[in-house]
Amino acid sequence: SQQGEEDPQALSIQEGENATMNCSYKTSINNLQWYRQNSGRGLVHLILIRSNEREKHSGRLRVTLDTSKKSSSLLITASRAADTASYFCATAGSSARQLTFGSGTQLTVLP
Amino acid sequence: DAGVIQSPRHEVTEMGQEVTLRCKPISGHDYLFWYRQTMMRGLELLIYFNNNVPIDDSGMPEDRFSAKMPNASFSTLKIQPSEPRDSAVYFCASSSADNYGYTFGSGTRLTVV
Repeated sequence: SQQGEEDPQALSIQEGENATMNCSYKTSINNLQWYRQNSGRGLVHLILIRSNEREKHSGRLRVTLDTSKKSSSLLITASRAADTASYFCATAGSSARQLTFGSGTQLTVLP
Repeated sequence: DAGVIQSPRHEVTEMGQEVTLRCKPISGHDYLFWYRQTMMRGLELLIYFNNNVPIDDSGMPEDRFSAKMPNASFSTLKIQPSEPRDSAVYFCASSSADNYGYTFGSGTRLTVV
């Protein structure tokens, strides 16, 4: 079963704009991770945020985590056409190792 | 490092045939995971290993599926007999003891006709 649900399911923006994707989950977590998947390819790890962290940055990526609301958001600033992909959140429970993936957000960045 | 290597990239087989998917994790990674991705069900964890030992196989759909990890550099996922509903992309991923993030392979696209 899928723990995380991404919102929106699909997002289309112009190059240079910011893209925000949201993830909600149901049970307590050890950490939450975001992955990117280009069409026909494997998933690529982007960033991990632990349950005791509220915000993390990596380059043009900013992730926030609100454990009280069981939600996370991924912000991609100054988007590029190359950012076009599906983005998945994944949660790890007490085992910290076993990831449950959400349904993904399909991001299209128009040149 | 070449990353996680999966073979074959594509497999088309007839219903009832045995299918074997292969995975070579990143050297030094202690954890290996098998996932299945379909449009209807998304990404599902089938089984994962730690130091070659299966830890959780509760995601394996049924007895037709089996997975082995005979050594730290090789794992197989076998489906026998295969059915059309097994058609999916099967991913292998690995991670190290000090990093919770996964490195995924490119996947095997399985079509059972």
